[in-house]
Amino acid sequence: SQKIEQNSEALNIQEGKTATLTCNYTNYSPAYLQWYRQDPGRGPVFLLLIRENEKEKRKERLKVTFDTTLKQSLFHITASQPADSATYLCALLITGNQFYFGTGTSLTVIP
Amino acid sequence: EPEVTQTPSHQVTQMGQEVILRCVPISNHLYFYWYRQILGQKVEFLVSFYNNEISEKSEIFDDQFSVERPDGSNFTLKIRSTKLEDSAMYFCASRRQGSRSYNEQFFGPGTRLTVL
Repeated sequence: SQKIEQNSEALNIQEGKTATLTCNYTNYSPAYLQWYRQDPGRGPVFLLLIRENEKEKRKERLKVTFDTTLKQSLFHITASQPADSATYLCALLITGNQFYFGTGTSLTVIP
Repeated sequence: EPEVTQTPSHQVTQMGQEVILRCVPISNHLYFYWYRQILGQKVEFLVSFYNNEISEKSEIFDDQFSVERPDGSNFTLKIRSTKLEDSAMYFCASRRQGSRSYNEQFFGPGTRLTVL
């Protein structure tokens, strides 16, 4: 069956450390993968997109990697801050215009 | 900065009633989406819409659901006869280009639907 899994439902890290979130998928060959941030009671907000032929993408303190052989994406937040506390979602374009979201990882950055 | 808007922010209805959730996508966007998120669960794709017709839909999007773009700006989701399990947050999203073009979806703030 089709599945997108994100590592542990909750991740707590100390301020200043690097947070690493994982997105694993099975039975897909996505053209690209996206990462979103979601705050409680709000809609997802786009952060980064990485294409199937790209290994790594960076944006300020964010870095995404994409390994199509392992069927895995890693999302890193360096020098984490309490304001980074949120739920982070990965999303895959499965068919022409249908996106599947992962279960999300709740990140808490402790001051 | 342009944004996706949704109304109402909260809708309470009785089981069996019809509800219409409204969205105004970003004006130059071509693809439109509805998602739902049951409390504490993941964001689930319902339907995508392009060129005035449904592009793709999930197994959740059964005959009780319909979408419409009645004019040049609004995009609506109708649930014909609501069930208790339809209680969720419903998000509208839009995207500038379609198909496999590489760009993001912009999400609205959501409508919280409560079915009693």
